[in-house]
Amino acid sequence: DTAVSQTPKYLVTQMGNDKSIKCEQNLGHDTMYWYKQDSKKFLKIMFSYNNKELIINETVPNRFSPKSPDKAHLNLHINSLELGDSAVYFCASSQVRSPGGEQYFGPGTRLTVT
Amino acid sequence: SQQGEEDPQALSIQEGENATMNCSYKTSINNLQWYRQNSGRGLVHLILIRSNEREKHSGRLRVTLDTSKKSSSLLITASRAADTASYFCATDGDSSYKLIFGSGTRLLVRP
Repeated sequence: DTAVSQTPKYLVTQMGNDKSIKCEQNLGHDTMYWYKQDSKKFLKIMFSYNNKELIINETVPNRFSPKSPDKAHLNLHINSLELGDSAVYFCASSQVRSPGGEQYFGPGTRLTVT
Repeated sequence: SQQGEEDPQALSIQEGENATMNCSYKTSINNLQWYRQNSGRGLVHLILIRSNEREKHSGRLRVTLDTSKKSSSLLITASRAADTASYFCATDGDSSYKLIFGSGTRLLVRP
């Protein structure tokens, strides 16, 4: 069984479009995250949700809007896509809230904006 | 930037040799974790070491932590071709709700 799944795996779109990436975890975890990995492999936190509540928003442009309909799902909607949004986006989840526990990552969504 | 640094950036060794990767970080931590990322895949957790621990083992992995120097090392003994991947350290920094990742070390194990 897949623990953390993301769809789609690949997303190619043009500048200015709006797109969504979906994430689901079946681990019963309380906390979910979105990370962005750029072309140099730097991995940076974007958002963190705990029990559907936004905990962390790391100065991400407001074109990015996460939505958590329930604690097993965390979707990412991106408006007015820009070239610089091209990256791999990873969803993750964890159970231990403090002092920061192991995170389980999805396979990633490679977004290419042309 | 809170991003940690890892060195070397890339490491190429022969199968059977040991691989050592180092990580430095900037803030105080509760714990430090190491993750592996195979090409085109998500990250997989390898090991977690708490700030009051100095060394931890898991199979062929050995992790050390020196909080006075804000540094950690990951040793993979008797490497295998399947160990070829990127390795990242991650700290919890100033929040339990996020991880701050290092820049990663790309390890190539030649058969």
